[in-house]
Amino acid sequence: AQSVTQLGSHVSVSEGALVLLRCNYSSSVPPYLFWYVQYPNQGLQLLLKYTTGATLVKGINGFEAEFKKSETSFHLTKPSAHMSDAAEYFCAVSLYSGGGADGLTFGKGTHLIIQP
Amino acid sequence: DAGVIQSPRHEVTEMGQEVTLRCKPISGHDYLFWYRQTMMRGLELLIYFNNNVPIDDSGMPEDRFSAKMPNASFSTLKIQPSEPRDSAVYFCASRLGSPNTEAFFGQGTRLTVV
Repeated sequence: AQSVTQLGSHVSVSEGALVLLRCNYSSSVPPYLFWYVQYPNQGLQLLLKYTTGATLVKGINGFEAEFKKSETSFHLTKPSAHMSDAAEYFCAVSLYSGGGADGLTFGKGTHLIIQP
Repeated sequence: DAGVIQSPRHEVTEMGQEVTLRCKPISGHDYLFWYRQTMMRGLELLIYFNNNVPIDDSGMPEDRFSAKMPNASFSTLKIQPSEPRDSAVYFCASRLGSPNTEAFFGQGTRLTVV
């Protein structure tokens, strides 16, 4: 079974500062990894995903994440925070187990706060 | 496409009553997921379907919870009888194909059981 750990339930950064949201996963087979964002009273929206190939993936709104197999990590970064980035961010893992497909397993989420 | 559509958006019910949440997935998607979101437990996968067939319901918390997908364009999640601890936001999501593709989420149903 797979699992996801997000370090820090709340992260606060100043506008214009680097955003770093941490995600570690565990799985018995190579995973597919996702970052989703949730704005207040909204559903989840995909930011980016890693499936195969290049380990640095770019997403919407200037976010990117790097898959590091040796560290079992998939941290999300953005060079310069915007007030509009304030939201809840979820890391998720999905597997193809051969006999069927698994659902997305989510981390607990990180609430990103942007200080003016 | 209008995306994944959930109804109602908000539901307030009394303890002991039956509650039915509804979901219309994106047309053509073959996977449908039901999630529950609470502050304490985060996003929990309750059950998912592939081609209208339930594949994994191990996340359904109790027998009071049941889900059906009678056709490719409609699914329900039913709680009978409801309890205050069922209060949460329930999300439906759909996906086309294998696990490396994006799951699209509805806006959610905020359920309050008093």
